[in-house]
Amino acid sequence: AQSVTQLGSHVSVSEGALVLLRCNYSSSVPPYLFWYVQYPNQGLQLLLKYTSAATLVKGINGFEAEFKKSETSFHLTKPSAHMSDAAEYFCAVSVRDSSYKLIFGSGTRLLVRP
Amino acid sequence: DVKVTQSSRYLVKRTGEKVFLECVQDMDHENMFWYRQDPGLGLRLIYFSYDVKMKEKGDIPEGYSVSREKKERFSLILESASTNQTSMYLCASHDQGTGSYEQYFGPGTRLTVT
Repeated sequence: AQSVTQLGSHVSVSEGALVLLRCNYSSSVPPYLFWYVQYPNQGLQLLLKYTSAATLVKGINGFEAEFKKSETSFHLTKPSAHMSDAAEYFCAVSVRDSSYKLIFGSGTRLLVRP
Repeated sequence: DVKVTQSSRYLVKRTGEKVFLECVQDMDHENMFWYRQDPGLGLRLIYFSYDVKMKEKGDIPEGYSVSREKKERFSLILESASTNQTSMYLCASHDQGTGSYEQYFGPGTRLTVT
């Protein structure tokens, strides 16, 4: 069975600092992995996805994530935080069957300090 | 762009009422999903549908039912609302033809049951 663990329910960084949001997954088959962002009072928006091509994936708004099979990790990074990055971030893994379901982590709320 | 809309952004209902949450997508996607989102729990799958009139239970179907009479519309029904169903409800759709597992989300309905 697939599962996702996001370490840290809240992360606080200063504007301009590195953003690092952690995601570890468990999957019995090669996973597809996703990061979604949710701005206040909105639905989820896809940031980036890994689907077994390049292990370093670039997404929107300057975010990127690296798939590390040996560490079963898919951490999200951004070199320099901006105030507009304040949001909740969700990591998800695909179930990889005909249902096309995703299993979501519990989310990490990013706070950006001026 | 894929557009997923939900009938209400905010809804307040009384205990015991029958509640309908509507979701419509405009991209002819086969698969549709209903999640509820609670702090610290991430997104949990309630029901999903992979075709008209077809439905499958997700991880937390108790107290809910669904209806999919047309391909573009997927309704979530709370037969007798209870206070523990106060939550954010998110609808998503997925294009089975792409082979990708990416889901597209609506803006969410924040339901309060009093």
